[in-house]
Amino acid sequence: SAVISQKPSRDICQRGTSLTIQCQVDSQVTMMFWYRQQPGQSLTLIATANQGSEATYESGFVIDKFPISRPNLTFSTLTVSNMSPEDSSIYLCSALTGQHTEAFFGQGTRLTVV
Amino acid sequence: DAKTTQPPSMDCAEGRAANLPCNHSTISGNEYVYWYRQIHSQGPQYIIHGLKNNETNEMASLIITEDRKSSTLILPHATLRDTAVYYCIVRTREGGAQKLVFGQGTRLTINP
Repeated sequence: SAVISQKPSRDICQRGTSLTIQCQVDSQVTMMFWYRQQPGQSLTLIATANQGSEATYESGFVIDKFPISRPNLTFSTLTVSNMSPEDSSIYLCSALTGQHTEAFFGQGTRLTVV
Repeated sequence: DAKTTQPPSMDCAEGRAANLPCNHSTISGNEYVYWYRQIHSQGPQYIIHGLKNNETNEMASLIITEDRKSSTLILPHATLRDTAVYYCIVRTREGGAQKLVFGQGTRLTINP
């Protein structure tokens, strides 16, 4: 198994500012993902964080709004840029350790934009 | 888009078996079925997964139909702590990359 730590666990931010969320895994993983969960909704995949290269974004998400870094096999960051109240959500980091094993999730970052 | 369909909500009595259905009629031959649950906005928790054979672990059993177009998650003796949203997910491979795409899930309520 893998333990995923996210920082911060929650934050309240002013509109127009940016927030960087950190995701640390306690072991090397093959793939890392970022999800968004809006209030009362399911999880929506934002992007796959690729080690050493640009992230792969899902439809509706762009790098300028959600820049992602993954400098090594255990760490990734997601930045929510130029925030608006519509960005208020829980942001979750996930990691896959192998081709046929389960994905692990962090506890999420609860973001409120005011 | 999610490749699974689940009922939006279900109720079950405490101590009884909870049977949660999932349809995945477009599943491909090498795609796995995964089940996760999310309790009160915590991070999703892995439950079980399978390819074509039935699977059982300490949490649940997974029954996959022979044609693989549907499956059922069974919680054999549901407790109040099993109240959660349960997600059935087909682990897809697109462009060589594995990923989990969540559907809307089933909100399971265990009643005393």
